[in-house]
Amino acid sequence: GAGVSQSPSNKVTEKGKDVELRCDPISGHTALYWYRQSLGQGLEFLIYFQGNSAPDKSGLPSDRFSAERTGGSVSTLTIQRTQQEDSAVYLCASSPPPGSYNEQFFGPGTRLTVL
Amino acid sequence: QKEVEQNSGPLSVPEGAIASLNCTYSDRGSQSFFWYRQYSGKSPELIMFIYSNGDKEDGRFTAQLNKASQYVSLLIRDSQPSDSATYLCAVKPGGGSYIPTFGRGTSLIVHP
Repeated sequence: GAGVSQSPSNKVTEKGKDVELRCDPISGHTALYWYRQSLGQGLEFLIYFQGNSAPDKSGLPSDRFSAERTGGSVSTLTIQRTQQEDSAVYLCASSPPPGSYNEQFFGPGTRLTVL
Repeated sequence: QKEVEQNSGPLSVPEGAIASLNCTYSDRGSQSFFWYRQYSGKSPELIMFIYSNGDKEDGRFTAQLNKASQYVSLLIRDSQPSDSATYLCAVKPGGGSYIPTFGRGTSLIVHP
């Protein structure tokens, strides 16, 4: 079946512009996660959705970052007034409903470059 | 602070050897344990997960869990150059949390 998809695969933007990153999880997966990975670094957790709710958004680095999920499916991560330190690969992952082992399946990521 | 520790490596093994990757964790209530493989420039890919003490085998991969000692390991038998990647350990904590904690990964190099 189809895996997690993300768009765009690459995004180059100018400092101060807003960007939107999209994630389509695996069908039937109720949990959705956003992570950020800078070059040579580990995964940095950003936000977790269960259905359309975000019970844990503790990883969002500033109020310039926001995310939403609609219909229990597609999620959008928005970064306002981008800064150069926002440059990274943004990864989305989805998991089956609670009661599973919480295994995560990752999308291919969006590489964001802020000039 | 829930922590997952991995040796960053690189771990270098010859082709055909057994590669042993280790991970320790701090939360005794942790429930599920995952190994991901991440090739350079790619996203993490789930290899296998384990939740009970002991060994779990899947092809050339064996995950080993010891909850008393709070470590989980991944053995790769008959290592191939295509196994060269960074291996991430992730731990699902207890207490009803659904946010796995990831280690920083171990770089594995399999040389011909």
